Amino acid sequence: GDSVTQMEGPVTLSEEAFLTINCTYTATGYPSLFWYVQYPGEGLQLLLKATKADDKGSNKGFEATYRKETTSFHLEKGSVQVSDSAVYFCALSDYSSASKIIFGSGTRLSIRP
Amino acid sequence: NAGVTQTPKFQVLKTGQSMTLQCAQDMNHNSMYWYRQDPGMGLRLIYYSASEGTTDKGEVPNGYNVSRLNKREFSLRLESAAPSQTSVYFCASSEGAGRNNYGYTFGSGTRLTVV
Repeated sequence: GDSVTQMEGPVTLSEEAFLTINCTYTATGYPSLFWYVQYPGEGLQLLLKATKADDKGSNKGFEATYRKETTSFHLEKGSVQVSDSAVYFCALSDYSSASKIIFGSGTRLSIRP
Repeated sequence: NAGVTQTPKFQVLKTGQSMTLQCAQDMNHNSMYWYRQDPGMGLRLIYYSASEGTTDKGEVPNGYNVSRLNKREFSLRLESAAPSQTSVYFCASSEGAGRNNYGYTFGSGTRLTVV
């Protein structure tokens, strides 16, 4: 079945460092891909998405490109801030009528001032 | 504010007790979902409802039942709670399907402890 694999955390960086969180997927079709962010004590929020190969999703300085050839959707940010500390989930959506979303296990990111 | 509302936010149950988690959305979304979140395991789908009047099992449905009461409301019931059901439960809704799936809107979660 479809699945998502993302790098294990925790990831700890200094403020203004470059961030990459790796994500790869397995899917039988051509899923939509997402990154969600979860701040402490809150629900998940959609950070960005891409619906087809070579699409780039972007939001709040974060970017991810849908790479069909490598089945990847790595999350990047050029200069992280303390406020980016959170858990990040990579996810994919199948094409059934229900469009269930399958999540990776999450990567905890901590940014040091 | 528009969104997904879950109640209660916190609950402690004794083993064998029953309870219903409530979820309502005011965005006129067709699809609704229940997930549980456990440390190191991400989110796992319990049940979903593609449209009003339909429900289907997800990855981990055992020990749960659901009701899609109307387009707005989707409840999750634990008939006889077990310690293994200690988790954080999230309800979500979405508008589109397939390539038109714009992603979920999540509620803030219910933290359930079964002792």
